[in-house]
Amino acid sequence: GAGVSQTPSNKVTEKGKYVELRCDPISGHTALYWYRQSLGQGPEFLIYFQGTGAADDSGLPNDRFFAVRPEGSVSTLKIQRTERGDSAVYLCASSQVRGTGELFFGEGSRLTVL
Amino acid sequence: GQNIDQPTEMTATEGAIVQINCTYQTSGFNGLFWYQQHAGEAPTFLSYNVLDGLEEKGRFSSFLSRSKGYSYLLLKELQMKDSASYLCAAFNNAGNMLTFGGGTRLMVKP
Repeated sequence: GAGVSQTPSNKVTEKGKYVELRCDPISGHTALYWYRQSLGQGPEFLIYFQGTGAADDSGLPNDRFFAVRPEGSVSTLKIQRTERGDSAVYLCASSQVRGTGELFFGEGSRLTVL
Repeated sequence: GQNIDQPTEMTATEGAIVQINCTYQTSGFNGLFWYQQHAGEAPTFLSYNVLDGLEEKGRFSSFLSRSKGYSYLLLKELQMKDSASYLCAAFNNAGNMLTFGGGTRLMVKP
């Protein structure tokens, strides 16, 4: 596609529920990143994929968070047993090759946990 | 790990010049980046420095000093549309993690 696409753009859920956030990167981009951004803060790194494998998942805050990219394109971030502190904008970014730093971000998925 | 510091807010006048500073401490370093983010929108890439010195791109310039762990973004001939957050970010040695600072919210006034 023309840009990084993220769905849903907004998600409101109740505490304890399970959510999935989807990212469709720019076609041909092998590197895919997930970040989380709270209001007034910079993006916080969560996980990085190179192809299908999670090359670095050191930013995932705990085992309630998990992400997959089974075919090396679309990625899904999964959050189990959501908590109010999970409320944030979840940003996905892709880049053409590893290590260029020029990440192309999607518009984000705003998650609100009530 | 990586630690990146930048001012929280700055205000400047339309037509003026503003410099946004960033200091970083990293266990490994592979480049310093600046991104612009308008409220409610995605960050967009502005500039990249991997060697010391000044990189100029139109009204925007970015400077890096690796020995001092210091960078700045210089915006000239400010326009109202430049009101946004400016994010400083450093790439680690492995080139797989871009760590962002908290962002500097710039308000341009008439």
